[in-house]
Amino acid sequence: EAGVTQFPSHSVIEKGQTVTLRCDPISGHDNLYWYRRVMGKEIKFLLHFVKESKQDESGMPNNRFLAERTGGTYSTLKVQPAELEDSGVYFCASSQERGFTDTQYFGPGTRLTVL
Amino acid sequence: GESVGLHLPTLSVQEGDNSIINCAYSNSASDYFIWYKQESGKGPQFIIDIRSNMDKRQGQRVTVLLNKTVKHLSLQIAATQPGDSAVYFCAENSGGSNYKLTFGKGTLLTVNP
Repeated sequence: EAGVTQFPSHSVIEKGQTVTLRCDPISGHDNLYWYRRVMGKEIKFLLHFVKESKQDESGMPNNRFLAERTGGTYSTLKVQPAELEDSGVYFCASSQERGFTDTQYFGPGTRLTVL
Repeated sequence: GESVGLHLPTLSVQEGDNSIINCAYSNSASDYFIWYKQESGKGPQFIIDIRSNMDKRQGQRVTVLLNKTVKHLSLQIAATQPGDSAVYFCAENSGGSNYKLTFGKGTLLTVNP
């Protein structure tokens, strides 16, 4: 069974540019999460999808971040315009829909560098 | 605010020794706790979990202990191997409809051969 995949693995962009990150969850997983880790800090929750619906977006830092999950399969996270403080590693995770104790399986992350 | 933190940022052990990684949490409503292992270039990998109604759970070479009185969580790794070298994160959530995980800062475990 394939795990969670993320694309690209690395992205280097200039401040003010737009970047779109993609996540493909494990097949059949209704829950999809975005997290990020900025330099020297903890991994922080961004948002949670159940199928195509946003269940919890309390961690989204501001309106420069837009997450979508059309069709309830893969998800994209767009940052527009990117700022220096957005640099970090963005992780996607997925889990089945049985409850909060379902294991969240993480992808390898996308390392975003904003110059 | 709620936080999950770690006592030690780094831990160095000899191969074959037992390792203990500690974690403190502040949310008394935390109901579910997880330990993740992250190797270089990879995402966090699930190791073991425990519910708040338990105080100990064992896996293969790993044991998680939960002390709710002092809000403390620990991960014990028996007979530590070089392949155990990684960053270890504790995480928690408060259960119910809340699925988001709150992570600690991480502890870097280095196993010396």
